[in-house]
Amino acid sequence: QSALTQPASVSGSPGQSITISCTGTSSDVGGYNFVSWYQQHPGKAPKLMIYDVSNRPSGVSNRFSGSKSGNTASLTISGLQAEDEADYYCSSYTSSGTYVFGTGTKVTVL
Amino acid sequence: EVQLEESGGGLVQPGGSLRLSCAASGFTFSSYWMHWVRQAPGKGLVWVSRIKTDGSSTNYADSVKGRFTISRDNAKNTLYLQMNSLRAEDTAVYYCTRVVRWFDPWGQGTLVTVSS
Repeated sequence: QSALTQPASVSGSPGQSITISCTGTSSDVGGYNFVSWYQQHPGKAPKLMIYDVSNRPSGVSNRFSGSKSGNTASLTISGLQAEDEADYYCSSYTSSGTYVFGTGTKVTVL
Repeated sequence: EVQLEESGGGLVQPGGSLRLSCAASGFTFSSYWMHWVRQAPGKGLVWVSRIKTDGSSTNYADSVKGRFTISRDNAKNTLYLQMNSLRAEDTAVYYCTRVVRWFDPWGQGTLVTVSS
């Protein structure tokens, strides 16, 4: 199972909006609405930010939103803040009954 | 509070074995599929293995199939990963995580280093 494709890095100034893409195939992202997103700060465990494409867990800021079109899912961070600087990973359920992660995106707040 | 705590990591020589444990608390452990995910130093997250609620079904990534074995003890609320024939490329932080259709929560991870 190949990793989902994400841009290596995305940057933005405080207050701006950025979008991270996550591209898979019809056997994963495109076939199921089971895409989730994770934030990981250096040396820390990943934290769930979005589940089932566009749902936010309790406690996650509404500045984070998710969507999907075809084989590509997206995470948008609006009103970018310094604390959003981290690595972000997408994940999807697959047709083989397993899961696959994205390649990861480093978000830099300029 | 839902918590997962991994243990058992360390330094092991190539070809050696190690068993990781993950102690769960704050939720009904026997009701959830559990997974292992690893992250090599400076690299991304990679799914490793999963086990059904009652242990009757397991799946593995191709890279560890035949070498790693996932298991669980629902009476002890503990998840395990037996790792045999370890290779340098297995060096990583190993996380246990509870899964519905998303991974949450995650433990703090345990570092496995395979080196001579």
